[in-house]
Amino acid sequence: DAGITQSPRHKVTETGTPVTLRCHQTENHRYMYWYRQDPGHGLRLIHYSYGVKDTDKGEVSDGYSVSRSKTEDFLLTLESATSSQTSVYFCAIKEGPRQPQHFGDGTRLSIL
Amino acid sequence: KQEVTQIPAALSVPEGENLVLNCSFTDSAIYNLQWFRQDPGKGLTSLLLIQSSQREQTSGRLNASLDKSSGRSTLYIAASQPGDSATYLCAGVTQGGSEKLVFGKGTKLTVNP
Repeated sequence: DAGITQSPRHKVTETGTPVTLRCHQTENHRYMYWYRQDPGHGLRLIHYSYGVKDTDKGEVSDGYSVSRSKTEDFLLTLESATSSQTSVYFCAIKEGPRQPQHFGDGTRLSIL
Repeated sequence: KQEVTQIPAALSVPEGENLVLNCSFTDSAIYNLQWFRQDPGKGLTSLLLIQSSQREQTSGRLNASLDKSSGRSTLYIAASQPGDSATYLCAGVTQGGSEKLVFGKGTKLTVNP
């Protein structure tokens, strides 16, 4: 398996609180992605990064921000969590163009 | 809007049967196709990535094909086993710097002993 660690694996929090999810890789891959998976919607891209300090928005980026200050870490922040952001969040990495994406084990986030 | 469709949504077969999972896509910006399996409560495991220039890729009992002109990909599983039971997802790889994935909603496969 690709060396991807997502933390925390599970989190329950309250509406309005800030939440940060971490994706850590040991592969030194250039590309990193955050997706969310919801019943009826499948997996959708939130944000992605194509290098340190280089990030861009995906399909469902509203309410989320990201940061990548070093190659191995990609952080996803919910500035003020809402119940609609209850989901399973997956991080993915990719070595370079035309290479496969590899996924972490996910973070299950519940916002009450 | 880019769309990826997987049919059927669920499939149940007896052990040993050969089977085909289908994936179709409507946007010409999708130029490669990646297949995954997902076990309940788990992450996605990459199975095969097919480049548009390749048309086919094989890994063990799995064979995936891609016909970009018709917007279709198939995943063929030979001699299915109970351990193959999982949800299979196809994802179109879009052209551009991000090469983001556009996912179908999956086919849930059950292989009965």
